Amino acid sequence: TQLLEQSPQFLSIQEGENLTVYCNSSSVFSSLQWYRQEPGEGPVLLVTVVTGGEVKKLKRLTFQFGDARKDSSLHITAAQPGDTGLYLCAPVSGNTPLVFGKGTRLSVIA
Amino acid sequence: DAGVIQSPRHEVTEMGQEVTLRCKPISGHNSLFWYRQTMMRGLELLIYFNNNVPIDDSGMPEDRFSAKMPNASFSTLKIQPSEPRDSAVYFCASSFRTGQAAFFGQGTRLTVV
Repeated sequence: TQLLEQSPQFLSIQEGENLTVYCNSSSVFSSLQWYRQEPGEGPVLLVTVVTGGEVKKLKRLTFQFGDARKDSSLHITAAQPGDTGLYLCAPVSGNTPLVFGKGTRLSVIA
Repeated sequence: DAGVIQSPRHEVTEMGQEVTLRCKPISGHNSLFWYRQTMMRGLELLIYFNNNVPIDDSGMPEDRFSAKMPNASFSTLKIQPSEPRDSAVYFCASSFRTGQAAFFGQGTRLTVV
């Protein structure tokens, strides 16, 4: 059984600060998806990382896939209130449905 | 495309009543998923379909839960009878293929009193 852990569970920071959240698994997976969920909405895909060691940037968000493809991180530079939400990771193993971590709940205070 | 459409957005019902949640996936998507989200357990997969056929329902908590997908554009999740512990937000999602990016509806917030 794959164990999936996201940390920290909760994060409250001031606008302008930097932060990193983590997604760790006990298994190797073929790719990993990151989603953001805003209050009252469903999760929305941010990015998919595929290659071990891959780094992808989405404006102020930087996603990294671990070399061993068992972990990933999301770094946000100069956080803004609009970044507030629940950040979910979902590792992908072949043709199986997405299983999500419990997420990191981020609150950015103006 | 309007995205994944779920109805109702909110449902309040009494314990013992039947509840039916509805989902219209994105046209052309071959996989449909039902998830349940609570603070304690996060986002849990209940059941998923490929090409309208149920593939894995091992996440369905009890026999009180059932799901159908009579055609490519419609699915239902039914709870009968409902119990207070079923209170949660239920999401439907679809994707072109299982394992690819999932597109979620806005969810149905269910409260069983």
